[in-house]
Amino acid sequence: GENVEQHPSTLSVQEGDSAVIKCTYSDSASNYFPWYKQELGKRPQLIIDIRSNVGEKKDQRIAVTLNKTAKHFSLHITETQPEDSAVYFCAASSGNAGNMLTFGGGTRLMVKP
Amino acid sequence: DAGITQSPRHKVTETGTPVTLRCHQTENHRYMYWYRQDPGHGLRLIHYSYGVKDTDKGEVSDGYSVSRSKTEDFLLTLESATSSQTSVYFCAISETPGRGSYNEQFFGPGTRLTVL
Repeated sequence: GENVEQHPSTLSVQEGDSAVIKCTYSDSASNYFPWYKQELGKRPQLIIDIRSNVGEKKDQRIAVTLNKTAKHFSLHITETQPEDSAVYFCAASSGNAGNMLTFGGGTRLMVKP
Repeated sequence: DAGITQSPRHKVTETGTPVTLRCHQTENHRYMYWYRQDPGHGLRLIHYSYGVKDTDKGEVSDGYSVSRSKTEDFLLTLESATSSQTSVYFCAISETPGRGSYNEQFFGPGTRLTVL
């Protein structure tokens, strides 16, 4: 089955700096890659996703890049703000019958004011 | 937030007792999922459902069973709870592929379960 690895597990940046979180996946059939943000004590919420037919997608300060050949994808957050502090999860799906996602282990991002 | 609720939100129980967690949705989505969340492991799929009475196992299904008798309800049962099942449990829903937001999963608020 699919295996998703996520790095780093913790990331500390100064407010205004950029943050990059990287994930690798094992199943070459995977074609959907969402990113979720989870604030302390809250539910995971989708912040951006990318499908395998594009290499990059942006939404304001957030961008995701995908390299299908290398089987890795990354989340980029620019001009970080204290409210960006949270745990971020990447995931991958092959569009299988169960519409299932396999998640990475998570990255705790801390943005220092 | 999508119309997903979970009950109870918190539960403390003893080893060996049965426990049932409920997920209820008002979105009429076809797919429903149960995950557990533990530090360092992200979210791991326990079971999922692709329709009424249609369920299948996920990555960590041992010790858990599920049932879905109505579109809106998906129950997770721990037949005999163990301390290793202490975790936060999240329910998620997803629309039918090809309609609306294909593949996007929406999560419920979670249930914190402690097994003593």
